[in-house]
Amino acid sequence: DAGVIQSPRHEVTEMGQEVTLRCKPISGHDYLFWYRQTMMRGLELLIYFNNNVPIDDSGMPEDRFSAKMPNASFSTLKIQPSEPRDSAVYFCASSLVSMGGEYGYTFGSGTRLTVV
Amino acid sequence: GIQVEQSPPDLILQEGANSTLRCNFSDSVNNLQWFHQNPWGQLINLFYIPSGTKQNGRLSATTVATERYSLLYISSSQTTDSGVYFCAVKYNTNAGKSTFGDGTTLTVKP
Repeated sequence: DAGVIQSPRHEVTEMGQEVTLRCKPISGHDYLFWYRQTMMRGLELLIYFNNNVPIDDSGMPEDRFSAKMPNASFSTLKIQPSEPRDSAVYFCASSLVSMGGEYGYTFGSGTRLTVV
Repeated sequence: GIQVEQSPPDLILQEGANSTLRCNFSDSVNNLQWFHQNPWGQLINLFYIPSGTKQNGRLSATTVATERYSLLYISSSQTTDSGVYFCAVKYNTNAGKSTFGDGTTLTVKP
């Protein structure tokens, strides 16, 4: 398996533009997570899905952020309109959770977003 | 909300030395994970350890949930162990929402 695949690796956009980040989880994993990492706030969980259904989006900073998982192999995180304070590294992760615990928790390489 | 404190914030070791990283949390949890972020930014899950002890090569972890702490042990450290080690916990009442500590930055010198 190629692991969790995120695209693009780097994104530079102008303030006010729409940004879409993409994630392909590991096949067979039933949980997908979106994280954001900044120097000021550290690592934050934004939203997670179980079997393609959003379970908890309380970490999403505001209405400008939205996430979807139309099928088990693809998820998007969209920011519209983008602002300079959205600049961060966005990580996607997937895992398999069974009765015995959580397995195979794997992160993607991240998307470094810069909003100018 | 739950508070997660990691110590020490920074640690510098000579290659071959052993170390212990600590994670204290303020409330009951049903999930605790240790992650390593290497100097290139890659995040790697080390352990899923809500309680008990686990070992993986030179790394091991122990969580004492009743006393609200977890320890990560690194033995015979190598330069490739350098990076930031994060502890993340989940509340009992919300199985999916994680709170991260600020991390311990480890530098292993050759």
